[in-house]
Amino acid sequence: QVQLVESGGGVVQPGTSLTLSCVASGLTFSRHGMHWVRQTPGKGLEWVGVISDDGSNQYYADSVKGRFTISRDNSKNTLYLQVNSLSAEDTAVYYCAKDRNTRAVRGVITQWGYLEYWGQGALVTVSS
Amino acid sequence: QSALTQPASVSGSPGQSITISCTGTSSDVGGYNYVSWYQHHPGKAPKVMIYDVNNRPSGVSNRFSGSKSGNTASLTISGLQAEDEAEYYCSSYTSSNTLAVFGTGTKVTVL
Repeated sequence: QVQLVESGGGVVQPGTSLTLSCVASGLTFSRHGMHWVRQTPGKGLEWVGVISDDGSNQYYADSVKGRFTISRDNSKNTLYLQVNSLSAEDTAVYYCAKDRNTRAVRGVITQWGYLEYWGQGALVTVSS
Repeated sequence: QSALTQPASVSGSPGQSITISCTGTSSDVGGYNYVSWYQHHPGKAPKVMIYDVNNRPSGVSNRFSGSKSGNTASLTISGLQAEDEAEYYCSSYTSSNTLAVFGTGTKVTVL
């Protein structure tokens, strides 16, 4: 069955950078878009961004654009989220999720899908 | 992009039906049939229950159903069971630069 396992979380200082990883198994990783979603303490879910199956296109929430970078290594079945200039507001559990049904033509989203499988999340705490 | 509005909590007795609302705008819920619903038990991976407003993924109980009217989507759980106690989130595609938005979340309690 599909398994997604996030890692790389921990306690980090404000202003620093962090890279989260998500290793996928039980699927042909290179055939699927992948999302990142976060959940801040006591609050709900926030969509962070999505990367296409081949990594050529990334789309981000306005709230993280310019600070977050999503990438992937299909040879390692691994998804990444690099977060720069961390602040307390970035303290959250970060989830990776497999996309189903989202389509794009020449970088333009033509059909939006849903998050079919999720990992259990990695906790990032930003604190001095 | 503001979060979609859900009631903070909904409760029901075993066997009863409950409905969770998810209110957005014409730029998200009302404008597209790309509404999905997720069940989240604390400490576990969220699970999709409904996609494209009213479609159930394989393996999801037919006790879960979705609908939409105007800018409000709804998730109905019929024959409520103890295992349904969890947090539920709706999500929609949005025409804003932020492509997707989640709801504020609803805690479902089985009495």
